[in-house]
Amino acid sequence: DTGVSQDPRHKITKRGQNVTFRCDPISEHNRLYWYRQTLGQGPEFLTYFQNEAQLEKSRLLSDRFSAERPKGSFSTLEIQRTEQGDSAMYLCASSLALEFQPQHFGDGTRLSIL
Amino acid sequence: RKEVEQDPGPFNVPEGATVAFNCTYSNSASQSFFWYRQDCRKEPKLLMSVYSSGNEDGRFTAQLNRASQYISLLIRDSKLSDSATYLCVVSPSGTYKYIFGTGTRLKVLA
Repeated sequence: DTGVSQDPRHKITKRGQNVTFRCDPISEHNRLYWYRQTLGQGPEFLTYFQNEAQLEKSRLLSDRFSAERPKGSFSTLEIQRTEQGDSAMYLCASSLALEFQPQHFGDGTRLSIL
Repeated sequence: RKEVEQDPGPFNVPEGATVAFNCTYSNSASQSFFWYRQDCRKEPKLLMSVYSSGNEDGRFTAQLNRASQYISLLIRDSKLSDSATYLCVVSPSGTYKYIFGTGTRLKVLA
């Protein structure tokens, strides 16, 4: 399968713990995006990278959130000192760095904060 | 006002019916438009891009009206397998991020 891959699929953790998610994009895609989705809502943009450069961050991305894409391939999203409100599906997507190219999504990581 | 607005539904229609969804967007500088389909607890999957001239893919037709700032999706001859949430997506000019609507739930009934 050469689609977008996310790991883990599910994460359950206690409030206050740190969590890290990984995303492996489609290999030839330069752009990588992170979104968050809660029940009954559409996904909300968090941040995106072109190669290793983080080009845009949402105001939703508080200082407890950090994303990296060190070699321009896979990316990690870390949440420090998790809170109840962080419970959501975290979706990664990738696309070619061309205009009007659609984004392709991974299966997501479902985070539950106890 | 939300940047992208959709009627959340649900739309319950019988098999074989034609159903249409609209979506309005607030940023007139928006550049790219898409419809995605999302099944329960799954990731969004691209259904179709929406072009200025309108486009069709089998039973699905998408239209863009820039003057009124809305896009539409028409599904003809609905199948049970069309039951899903349909997400309207807009990408503003100058950015590559997506702005999603809340989605419209469709249930096709036997």
